[in-house]
Amino acid sequence: KQEVTQIPAALSVPEGENLVLNCSFTDSAIYNLQWFRQDPGKGLTSLLLIQSSQREQTSGRLNASLDKSSGRSTLYIAASQPGDSATYLCAVTGYSTLTFGKGTMLLVSP
Amino acid sequence: DGGITQSPKYLFRKEGQNVTLSCEQNLNHDAMYWYRQDPGQGLRLIYYSQIVNDFQKGDIAEGYSVSREKKESFPLTVTSAQKNPTAFYLCASSIGNQNQPQHFGDGTRLSIL
Repeated sequence: KQEVTQIPAALSVPEGENLVLNCSFTDSAIYNLQWFRQDPGKGLTSLLLIQSSQREQTSGRLNASLDKSSGRSTLYIAASQPGDSATYLCAVTGYSTLTFGKGTMLLVSP
Repeated sequence: DGGITQSPKYLFRKEGQNVTLSCEQNLNHDAMYWYRQDPGQGLRLIYYSQIVNDFQKGDIAEGYSVSREKKESFPLTVTSAQKNPTAFYLCASSIGNQNQPQHFGDGTRLSIL
């Protein structure tokens, strides 16, 4: 059964820092990996989707990498801002469904 | 605007009562999903439907039921058999291809009175 682990569980940084969130998964037979953002009491917003054949995807200050063979992905956030404060969830797509990690709660202080 | 609408935002259930959570999408997506999220936890799949009039159990389907009579709608019923229903429920939809992202509603928070 696929398991997804996210490290760290929580992270607090001052504004302007570059940071890395980590995601690992146990079964490399995936179609893709997604990173989501969740604000308190809200649904999920898709940030980046990396196909299994790709190594990375970029959107603005966000860069996500995927190493399928080692079962790892990282989300890099450049020049963090207080508005980046949220929970970031990683999910992998298996045959037809997503398996989620528990998330990293990020706090960016002004 | 195209999107997914979940209602109500907050819902309270008495012991022994069934309640139904609504999920409607106007994205013309074939696939729809229901997830449960508990504090500090990731999302767990309850049920999913890849086409009208068909649905499959997810990892935690016991105590829940669904229907998919219309492409736009995928209601979730939390039955009295679900002993710990207090959670945040999220509905999602996608085109149906595994390589396309899922889009999420804003969730329904269910509490027990």
